[in-house]
Amino acid sequence: EVQLMESGGGLVKPGGSLRLSCAASAFTFSSYSMIWVRQAPGKGLEWISSISTSGLYIHYADSVKGRFSISRDNAKNSLYLQMNSLRAEDTAIYYCARVGSTWPDRWGQGTLVTVSS
Amino acid sequence: NFMLTQPHSVSESPGKTVTISCTGSSGSLASNFVQWHQQRPGSAPTTVIYGGNQRPSGVPDRFSGSVDSSSNSASLTISGLKTEDEADYYCQSFDANLWVFGGGTKLTVL
Repeated sequence: EVQLMESGGGLVKPGGSLRLSCAASAFTFSSYSMIWVRQAPGKGLEWISSISTSGLYIHYADSVKGRFSISRDNAKNSLYLQMNSLRAEDTAIYYCARVGSTWPDRWGQGTLVTVSS
Repeated sequence: NFMLTQPHSVSESPGKTVTISCTGSSGSLASNFVQWHQQRPGSAPTTVIYGGNQRPSGVPDRFSGSVDSSSNSASLTISGLKTEDEADYYCQSFDANLWVFGGGTKLTVL
C-alpha cells in the first residue's frame, strides 16, 4: 500500500530550525513530484513548496521563500523540508503529498510543528 | 496574487444535493487544473475530484465536479448526502507554478 509518513515535527523556539522528513513506500518515489502543504490551527490548507522528480524544479510560497528549503533523496525514498528562522505563524500541521500528474493523489498524515517560546 | 474564493459554510439534509462554489480572482480557471479536497475532522486531506470533473478510484459517483471558464468558477456537487460527507472541502488550482487553495467550505449534514 502506498504510504507517506512525515516525521520531525515538534516544539521549537522562534528563530529556530527544524527539518521535516517524509518517508515514501510502496511506489517508485523517483517518478513523482512532491509537495508540502501546511494547516495552521483552525485554518485552511496552504501550499508551501513543490519539487520535481529529479529535484531540478523547485517552487515556494512567498510566505516561506528564503526561510524554507525543500529537497529529496530518491535513493532513500525521502522528501525533506528544512525550516529556518521559524516564526509563530509557522505553527501548523505539515503534510507531504505525492503529485500524480497535476493533483495530489496521496497525502501523509501530517506532523505538527509548534513555534513558541 | 491569484486567489480562490469559497463560501465559508453550507449545510443540507441527508439525502439532498449540495453544491459548493469556487471562484477565481482573475484569469480563467482551466478545467484540467481544478481539484477538490475533502478533509474530515481530525484527518488528513484526500482528493475527491481532479482535473475539474474526474473522480479518483474509490470516490463514490455521488461526487461530481464542473468548471465554467467563462465565469472563472468551479463547483463541487455532492448528491445523496450522507452524514459521512460532513467535512471541510477545499478547491485548488494553480497560478503558474504555484499551487493555490481556496479558503475551504465547511459542509454540515444535518
